[in-house]
Amino acid sequence: RKEVEQDPGPFNVPEGATVAFNCTYSNSASQSFFWYRQDCRKEPKLLMSVYSSGNEDGRFTAQLNRASQYISLLIRDSKLSDSATYLCVVFSWGKLQFGAGTQVVVTP
Amino acid sequence: DAMVIQNPRYQVTQFGKPVTLSCSQTLNHNVMYWYQQKSSQAPKLLFHYYDKDFNNEADTPDNFQSRRPNTSFCFLDIRSPGLGDAAMYLCATSRISGTGGGEQFFGPGTRLTVL
Repeated sequence: RKEVEQDPGPFNVPEGATVAFNCTYSNSASQSFFWYRQDCRKEPKLLMSVYSSGNEDGRFTAQLNRASQYISLLIRDSKLSDSATYLCVVFSWGKLQFGAGTQVVVTP
Repeated sequence: DAMVIQNPRYQVTQFGKPVTLSCSQTLNHNVMYWYQQKSSQAPKLLFHYYDKDFNNEADTPDNFQSRRPNTSFCFLDIRSPGLGDAAMYLCATSRISGTGGGEQFFGPGTRLTVL
């Protein structure tokens, strides 16, 4: 079983709509959680950390559910520039564990 | 201003011909990482340096070696590249924080092609 699992998508989203997707992790002792964004053929970049109480950053909302061992990302009012692969990242066993990513395609 | 720089951005090599990829950073971070990423897959950690301490992942092939001559520079040597080593190689840095792991800053990557 993979440490971090994500639905690969793609999630096709009309511009202005809301999209949400989850990521599950296997290590219940995981300490920190992040969402990274990766554009096609580019490097991953930190989008936001995920806090236990949930947190927002503009149009992006992240939630953590420790009991069920998943984190989620919600994007409101999707923009064309939100098209990317979103990597779920979990800090456990002393290192960052990356998911393979969820692809989001925002269409006009 | 580039903070993590990788050279070259694109590297073509022949099967079995050694290749060296380089990474430099201006962040003065004490941890540097090398990842391999293949299409539609998660970045796979090959090894990392905590200052001068080298940490190899258990499943990293012996074909992959690394050097960190100083804080700013780190090299990835692939001694005998095979067709399966064609991938994007990402260098990253971080400053270990109390929150665990902390943010990693990635370079733009080197895309390796093996002919």
